[in-house]
Amino acid sequence: DTAVSQTPKYLVTQMGNDKSIKCEQNLGHDTMYWYKQDSKKFLKIMFSYNNKELIINETVPNRFSPKSPDKAHLNLHINSLELGDSAVYFCASSPGPNYGYTFGSGTRLTVV
Amino acid sequence: GENVEQHPSTLSVQEGDSAVIKCTYSDSASNYFPWYKQELGKGPQLIIDIRSNVGEKKDQRIAVTLNKTAKHFSLHITETQPEDSAVYFCAENQGAQKLVFGQGTRLTINP
Repeated sequence: DTAVSQTPKYLVTQMGNDKSIKCEQNLGHDTMYWYKQDSKKFLKIMFSYNNKELIINETVPNRFSPKSPDKAHLNLHINSLELGDSAVYFCASSPGPNYGYTFGSGTRLTVV
Repeated sequence: GENVEQHPSTLSVQEGDSAVIKCTYSDSASNYFPWYKQELGKGPQLIIDIRSNVGEKKDQRIAVTLNKTAKHFSLHITETQPEDSAVYFCAENQGAQKLVFGQGTRLTINP
């Protein structure tokens, strides 16, 4: 049973389109995150939610809008996609910020 | 927040030898330091972590040491095996709110 699952695994789309990535965790964790991994493998936090409430928004363009309908789900919607948005996006969850994160397997987004 | 400095960026060792990866952090308030292993096409996986109230932690062939005064922490892998080949990331819980990651170390174990 997958602990943190993301869909889709691959996403290829044209510039200007709008797309969503979904994430679900079955670990009962209170906190969920979105991280972006660029081509140099650098992992950077984008958002953090605790029990459906946004607690971190790391200067991400407002074209990116996270939504957490409940504490087990954190989705990411991206408007007006740009070439620079191409990256691997990881969802993660944890019991809290001072505990290890469990990551999903990632969504490779390619904007053409 | 500032980045965590991680070195080296690439490391190649002979099977059976030891590997050491070092990180330096900046936030004195950080109290949790995990290490992650990322294999090709997969998400990062937690392999070991240490909290600021201890100086060393060991789990079989993997150990982590923490020097709070110098703000350094290191990952030690002994008796390396081919399946240890991966990208390794250190992290600190900056501001006790979020994990900030190092730049990653690509470890290659040569048979």
